[in-house]
Amino acid sequence: DTGVSQDPRHKITKRGQNVTFRCDPISEHNRLYWYRQTLGQGPEFLTYFQNEAQLEKSRLLSDRFSAERPKGSFSTLEIQRTEQGDSAMYLCASSLGPGGRGSGGTYEQYFGPGTRLTVT
Amino acid sequence: GENVEQHPSTLSVQEGDSAVIKCTYSDSASNYFPWYKQELGKRPQLIIDIRSNVGEKKDQRIAVTLNKTAKHFSLHITETQPEDSAVYFCAASMVAPASKLTFGTGTRLQVTL
Repeated sequence: DTGVSQDPRHKITKRGQNVTFRCDPISEHNRLYWYRQTLGQGPEFLTYFQNEAQLEKSRLLSDRFSAERPKGSFSTLEIQRTEQGDSAMYLCASSLGPGGRGSGGTYEQYFGPGTRLTVT
Repeated sequence: GENVEQHPSTLSVQEGDSAVIKCTYSDSASNYFPWYKQELGKRPQLIIDIRSNVGEKKDQRIAVTLNKTAKHFSLHITETQPEDSAVYFCAASMVAPASKLTFGTGTRLQVTL
């Protein structure tokens, strides 16, 4: 499978615990995005990387959230001291941005299957 | 920041009829407008997109139109089929410098037999 993958697909945790999610983008894509989607809503932007550099963070991303992409390949999203309001689907997407390998210079974003987080 | 509004929130059509979903955006700097289809429990899938240098794009039964002056764009699905039933999201972004997507709230399309 050459698409975007995410792990785990489901996570149930107790309030106050820390959780970490992983995203593996399409291999030639140098841009990686994290979004959050709650029931009945569209995805909301959280943060994005170009290669290993985190270029933008949403105001939605509190200090409890941190994301990394250390080698410009996979990325992790960590939530510390989880709250019930963190329950959502966390989606990762990747795209070919400036300077990326591959044809066309397209900026189309392709999504992974998501990690569904439930905080009890 | 960008704000995208989407209408209607639900749409029911009979198989074979056309469906139209409309979105408006607020930031005149936005120049890339993709549409995603999301089936229950699955990832959003890109079905068509349009850049601001064109007014219309078509791919088989799906077409998107863009009116930059009015800042609105629409998805048109012709000859609807039951497998078109899903939630559709419009989005807007700037291709550069950042390409984060701002999504609409979604339209649940139901195609009935």
